[in-house]
Amino acid sequence: GESVGLHLPTLSVQEGDNSIINCAYSNSASDYFIWYKQESGKGPQFIIDIRSNMDKRQGQRVTVLLNKTVKHLSLQIAATQPGDSAVYFCAENTDTDKLIFGTGTRLQVFP
Amino acid sequence: GAGVSQTPSNKVTEKGKYVELRCDPISGHTALYWYRQSLGQGPEFLIYFQGTGAADDSGLPNDRFFAVRPEGSVSTLKIQRTERGDSAVYLCASSQGGSNQPQHFGDGTRLSIL
Repeated sequence: GESVGLHLPTLSVQEGDNSIINCAYSNSASDYFIWYKQESGKGPQFIIDIRSNMDKRQGQRVTVLLNKTVKHLSLQIAATQPGDSAVYFCAENTDTDKLIFGTGTRLQVFP
Repeated sequence: GAGVSQTPSNKVTEKGKYVELRCDPISGHTALYWYRQSLGQGPEFLIYFQGTGAADDSGLPNDRFFAVRPEGSVSTLKIQRTERGDSAVYLCASSQGGSNQPQHFGDGTRLSIL
């Protein structure tokens, strides 16, 4: 199938290590943020979200950090697995509820 | 439960033809969104429905693009006089509506204009 993100920034990690994917967002008025995982030939899959009144939120093996001062988001994946290999996008929710997506990062997990 | 369903999964047509892309949202979701994704880029917003009405169509690139959602559930994105530059993956998402609700995506329709 068609590959998503042929020329995206790439993060390569060894299986079992932790991964950190970073994202800068554009609109200081955005109040809701989502991380998506996209595998080749598939649509974006919801991973975790965070509201602007929080600076950290944890899920299963994933943590999102929000720094509103510098308009920065990060996604931390603990004990990265081969199934985590995909392109990851951050998205900010505008006041009109449409999402603005970041550039995307390709995560490659090596055994 | 069933996620967002998009048909067809692939569509190949000639320049100048008319195409319709269909989206079945998650049952009960009042908000529906269309995005377009080009190779190597993130999805870009096209149009947003709350119920039957288009709440925001600011992302539609020109008047060849039109979308409807007549009964507040299924939506159809229509493209007239297709051009090669329209080739992309067209993604649909739905949410429960209201502020700060996650949007859940279908797997998209890959449109190729020859």
